[in-house]
Amino acid sequence: SQELEQSPQSLIVQEGKNLTINCTSSKTLYGLYWYKQKYGEGLIFLMMLQKGGEEKSHEKITAKLDEKKQQSSLHITASQPSHAGIYLCGADRSNFGNEKLTFGTGTRLTIIP
Amino acid sequence: DAGVIQSPRHEVTEMGQEVTLRCKPISGHDYLFWYRQTMMRGLELLIYFNNNVPIDDSGMPEDRFSAKMPNASFSTLKIQPSEPRDSAVYFCASSLTLGEAFFGQGTRLTVV
Repeated sequence: SQELEQSPQSLIVQEGKNLTINCTSSKTLYGLYWYKQKYGEGLIFLMMLQKGGEEKSHEKITAKLDEKKQQSSLHITASQPSHAGIYLCGADRSNFGNEKLTFGTGTRLTIIP
Repeated sequence: DAGVIQSPRHEVTEMGQEVTLRCKPISGHDYLFWYRQTMMRGLELLIYFNNNVPIDDSGMPEDRFSAKMPNASFSTLKIQPSEPRDSAVYFCASSLTLGEAFFGQGTRLTVV
C-alpha cells in the first residue's frame, strides 16, 4: 500500500474558487514537501514543512502540516489557470534531511474558466 | 546554473535493446536521485547517491537496471535488456544535504 495517500486524486475547479488537497502518511513524518508538475515536465518545488503546526504560503498557495495526524493540506485561494497541474506531496523518511523522498499518488488539478 | 540536465528527452527503443539515460546534477549538490513515473505506480524512487556513492538501491526493479555515478557531475541509469513494461518517464533530481530536490525535465522512454 502507498505510504502517502493524496486526496482527491483529481479535482476540477472553476477559476476563482478555492480548493484543498490533502496528503496523509501512514508513517512518521520528518518533513513534508509539496511539488507541482505540469504535463511532460519535471517537478517544481513549492514548499517544505518541517514542524508540526507549521504553515507556509507562497503567492496564493498555503500549506499546513499536522504532525500528530501525519497529514498535510495544500490550499489554493482564488484559483487561476496557471495553478493547473499535478500536485505531489513528498515525505522525508529520515530525520537528517532530504535524503530519500517518497511521493504520494498525486492530485491532478484542472481549472475551468 | 542551468539546473538538472537529462538526456535524451525522448527515447524509443526496441525490446531487448540496451538503454542508457544520462543526468548532470546541479553543481555542488551532494545528493542525486533517479525516479521513475508511470500512470499506474506514480513517482517511484529507484536509487540515490550521496557524494557519488550509491546509498539505497532498494527501488531498482530488477537486475536489468543499473546506475552509476563516476563523478560529481554525471550519472547514468542503464536498462539491459529493455522490456515494454519499462516504458515510463525517468527523472533525475539533485539536492544539497538539506532542502528541496531539483528535478530535471525527465526522459520519456518507450520500449516497443
